[in-house]
Amino acid sequence: DAMVIQNPRYQVTQFGKPVTLSCSQTLNHNVMYWYQQKSSQAPKLLFHYYDKDFNNEADTPDNFQSRRPNTSFCFLDIRSPGLGDAAMYLCATSRGTGGREKLFFGSGTQLSVL
Amino acid sequence: SQQGEEDPQALSIQEGENATMNCSYKTSINNLQWYRQNSGRGLVHLILIRSNEREKHSGRLRVTLDTSKKSSSLLITASRAADTASYFCATDAAHTGTASKLTFGTGTRLQVTL
Repeated sequence: DAMVIQNPRYQVTQFGKPVTLSCSQTLNHNVMYWYQQKSSQAPKLLFHYYDKDFNNEADTPDNFQSRRPNTSFCFLDIRSPGLGDAAMYLCATSRGTGGREKLFFGSGTQLSVL
Repeated sequence: SQQGEEDPQALSIQEGENATMNCSYKTSINNLQWYRQNSGRGLVHLILIRSNEREKHSGRLRVTLDTSKKSSSLLITASRAADTASYFCATDAAHTGTASKLTFGTGTRLQVTL
């Protein structure tokens, strides 16, 4: 049973054209994360929500925004995608706080920028 | 700054052999987790080890942690072709926060051949 679902699986956009990636969860977890992963690199945390509280990483570009309208859904908006934003975008959830919580990941959205 | 560095970057073994991957990190941690990622997919949690633990087992997986050396190892015994994947360590730095902000290492790409 899918627990963290990301849509679409593949997304192609044009340089500068806004794009939205979506994530939903059936786990009722409090925390949702967005990671960016470029080819053969480590996943890099962009931001996360704890309930409705938004937490941005210091080095996340302003081009990246996120919305969490309810517990189940979280969106990643890229306002003006550049070629360097082509990557796999991973959504993850965790039950709560603390490093003992394991993360549950979706299958990812592979973003291409033309 | 990136917390974990995996070694080796790539590992190729034959089915039935053991695979050992190492992770080094820079700052004190509360917990260390290992994740697996099949090509083009999301990450899957494998095992968590706490900073006061030295060794942990789960099926064919054995994880060790040496906090004095700031390093961890993941051993997969009797490897199978299905173990082919990338393996990442992830650490939760020893600071307070509202969520488990895991920082991922660079990963080891494991190839198991028949």
